[in-house]
Amino acid sequence: SSELTQDPAVSVALGQTVRITCRGDSLRSYYATWYQQKPGQAPVVVIYGKNNRPSGIPDRFSGSSSGNTASLTITGAQAEDEADYYCNSRDSSGNHLGVFGGGTKLTVL
Amino acid sequence: EVQLVESGGGLVKPGGSLRLSCAASGFTFSIYSMNWVRQAPGKGLEWVSSISSSSYTYYADSVKGRFTISRDNAKNSLYLQMNSLRAEDTALYYCARDDQEAFDVWGQGTMVTVSS
Repeated sequence: SSELTQDPAVSVALGQTVRITCRGDSLRSYYATWYQQKPGQAPVVVIYGKNNRPSGIPDRFSGSSSGNTASLTITGAQAEDEADYYCNSRDSSGNHLGVFGGGTKLTVL
Repeated sequence: EVQLVESGGGLVKPGGSLRLSCAASGFTFSIYSMNWVRQAPGKGLEWVSSISSSSYTYYADSVKGRFTISRDNAKNSLYLQMNSLRAEDTALYYCARDDQEAFDVWGQGTMVTVSS
């Protein structure tokens, strides 16, 4: 199996830019997927692949990757972006998307 | 509308068993890998198990030997048989579709509580 490491909490002032990072050996081989989860709701994909947004996700969300680190950037954070964010990638064998980071709680001040 | 609906959760004693179901609709269920992901109260997401379109199965170390994932393509359904349940298995269990790049569709979850 593999592990993905995220900072537990990050804060950002309204309208500013914030980067949430995810580190793990599997990210050298596979892209990270990023999920947003608000209280009482199921997770929602915000970034997948190299830097792809599903329909309906605002373009202030973007993704990047370098070495063993993947990043989710929110440019011009909004109050509604306050949520938990999880990174996810394939396990070392590549057989399944079975590795999650511990999650980052984003607070918009 | 693409939808996943979980059922079968409940309160069970340690050592007991439970079978979760996930009913899929609005897409061709048979061609997708399907997964169970759980979230303990106040905790993060934890992948539990995956079954490919060809019925290859994979499990997290924490449930290997106790849980069994299966699917019935004729019924558009995914299952998770959970045996020898422990307190640490208490969580909201989500069914999730895998489109090869992401868990792109999630259900709303079914709660499993393991307590005496």
